[in-house]
Amino acid sequence: SAVISQKPSRDICQRGTSLTIQCQVDSQVTMMFWYRQQPGQSLTLIATANQGSEATYESGFVIDKFPISRPNLTFSTLTVSNMSPEDSSIYLCSVEDPGQGAVDGYTFGSGTRLTVV
Amino acid sequence: QKEVEQNSGPLSVPEGAIASLNCTYSDRVSQSFFWYRQYSGKSPELIMSIYSNGDKEDGRFTAQLNKASQYVSLLIRDSQPSDSATYLCAVNSRGGYNKLIFGAGTRLAVHP
Repeated sequence: SAVISQKPSRDICQRGTSLTIQCQVDSQVTMMFWYRQQPGQSLTLIATANQGSEATYESGFVIDKFPISRPNLTFSTLTVSNMSPEDSSIYLCSVEDPGQGAVDGYTFGSGTRLTVV
Repeated sequence: QKEVEQNSGPLSVPEGAIASLNCTYSDRVSQSFFWYRQYSGKSPELIMSIYSNGDKEDGRFTAQLNKASQYVSLLIRDSQPSDSATYLCAVNSRGGYNKLIFGAGTRLAVHP
């Protein structure tokens, strides 16, 4: 199955600043997905990033706040802009992973734990 | 109505028992269903996928799907303390491209 390297693993940021999160996949994938997991909550999809086109954002998320880049089929970044304490969450990237075994599905990066102070 | 619903738990079962986790979904045309396990502080880990009505078994895990009832479940046989985690049900949503919609998760506690 695909292996995703996500960084940073955690960061503490000042309000009003921005943080860029990177995900590198060890194989070419069409779609990359960005999720947010607020403390004690489940995963909420932020946007879907397709190489060569603008990301598609879910309701409640906008490009000015969460700009995404997808320069090639193995890499994507998510920026959390003008941060406030409400942005403190775990951010995860994910790819659809057909795999070669009996189980397929979606693989997740290790996550970025963001704390905004 | 939430798109994917799960009981938040906690579900507490004794070691060796069967743990039963349930999930309902609202999008009748959903085609793919997944169960993820998430340990505290870790990212979700895929444990089962199911696409057709009926049961699918993998080791101690059995996923059950009933599309008519829009219901999917996960059974864990011979539960172990190491199974204690949050179990997330996820459904592949339509919309022109694949994306996963997650339920809120059920916290399972297996006590010795």
